[in-house]
Amino acid sequence: GESVGLHLPTLSVQEGDNSIINCAYSNSASDYFIWYKQESGKGPQFIIDIRSNMDKRQGQRVTVLLNKTVKHLSLQIAATQPGDSAVYFCAENSGGGSNYKLTFGKGTLLTVNP
Amino acid sequence: DAGITQSPRHKVTETGTPVTLRCHQTENHRYMYWYRQDPGHGLRLIHYSYGVKDTDKGEVSDGYSVSRSKTEDFLLTLESATSSQTSVYFCAISDLILRGGRREQFFGPGTRLTVL
Repeated sequence: GESVGLHLPTLSVQEGDNSIINCAYSNSASDYFIWYKQESGKGPQFIIDIRSNMDKRQGQRVTVLLNKTVKHLSLQIAATQPGDSAVYFCAENSGGGSNYKLTFGKGTLLTVNP
Repeated sequence: DAGITQSPRHKVTETGTPVTLRCHQTENHRYMYWYRQDPGHGLRLIHYSYGVKDTDKGEVSDGYSVSRSKTEDFLLTLESATSSQTSVYFCAISDLILRGGRREQFFGPGTRLTVL
């Protein structure tokens, strides 16, 4: 697969543990945020999104937290499984719907040890 | 994969040759994007389209051109490929109206291009 993991921050966890992946953003005007998962050899896959009028959103086994004060986003994965091993990256958007471009972070490589 | 295909999936070519990558969607989404992904740089936007025949440049557009003659197809052309254009190329789509106000982009499987 593609070597998208080079030079990335890495996080290694044991199967069954909870994982927390962090992302800092720089644009204070950003009002929409997304987490993507990218497995080796595949395209990025949407996981969960959150708007700036929220500070927490939950999905299936995942929770996204948004701290606008320090411009920080985190993705929590509960009971991490081997299938969660991938590169995770955040994306931000500003413009209230009139700007369709996303700005992507560099990503974090998550490795789940059985 | 949200009805997005890319072709070819792999291509090896020589410096100076023209290359065209195709993105095809069956979702009727208005917006389409071309990105390149390189180690250490993440996803970088090359060009995007906001409708048929409407395109605009992204942050790394030099050496690339695009065309969109119909809603479902978005073509990326390297007029004269260089080794610095060796990369993995992803197409993405989005549509604010069809997605109920959500701005997420959905990605294709990618094309690995090697320029020798």
